[in-house]
Amino acid sequence: EIVLTQSPGTLSLSPGDRATLSCRASQSVVGSYLAWYQQKPGQPPRLLIYGASSRATGIPDRFVGSGSGTDFTLTISRLEPEDFALYYCHHYGRSPFTFGPGTKVDV
Amino acid sequence: QVQLVQSGAEVKKPGSSVKVSCKASGGSVNSYAISWVRQAPGQGLEWMGGIVPVFASTNYAQKFQGRVTITADQSAGTVYMELSSLRSEDTAVYYCAREYCDSGGSCYSWVMDVWGQGTTVTVSS
Repeated sequence: EIVLTQSPGTLSLSPGDRATLSCRASQSVVGSYLAWYQQKPGQPPRLLIYGASSRATGIPDRFVGSGSGTDFTLTISRLEPEDFALYYCHHYGRSPFTFGPGTKVDV
Repeated sequence: QVQLVQSGAEVKKPGSSVKVSCKASGGSVNSYAISWVRQAPGQGLEWMGGIVPVFASTNYAQKFQGRVTITADQSAGTVYMELSSLRSEDTAVYYCAREYCDSGGSCYSWVMDVWGQGTTVTVSS
């Protein structure tokens, strides 16, 4: 089973700042099958990025995914007030699929 | 636009089973990979397993093997997740989610895009 580790656990930033979230896998993620989700309290997750770097439909271009192998990054170029939330990485290349523990981006 | 509508909250005794349904509204789930993900109170996301109804093929996380059964009723456009031998640690919100399809019609199995509203399952004596 691939274990995903996310860092930092919490990122304290302000609107307009740049956020850099890291996701590291215990072994190489096949085909860069790595996704990022955003979750706000009381809501289901929202898909942001798939295939490590492809934005899902309707996702603003300030969300940028990058990386391959075992190291992946989600960058939010300029934080908007609605971006303060929890972010999870998720690999889906080979079962069992797993999530990282999450990074909270707060003010 | 397809929506996934899940069954209502459940309260169960330890040792019993729960069956949660996930029905598509405004579309079909039959040809898509449907995942089940749970989230314990204040905790992260946990992928439990999934199904592609048209192939009746299932995929389970090893942690839940033997305790979870995911099935589909294609005629009803509904997917089910049954979890047995419930314990207090199974108290969580359970979500179903459909695979992502881009604007060009390409779909990506196990990338979760359309989510149900969640079903709270409470296990308590």
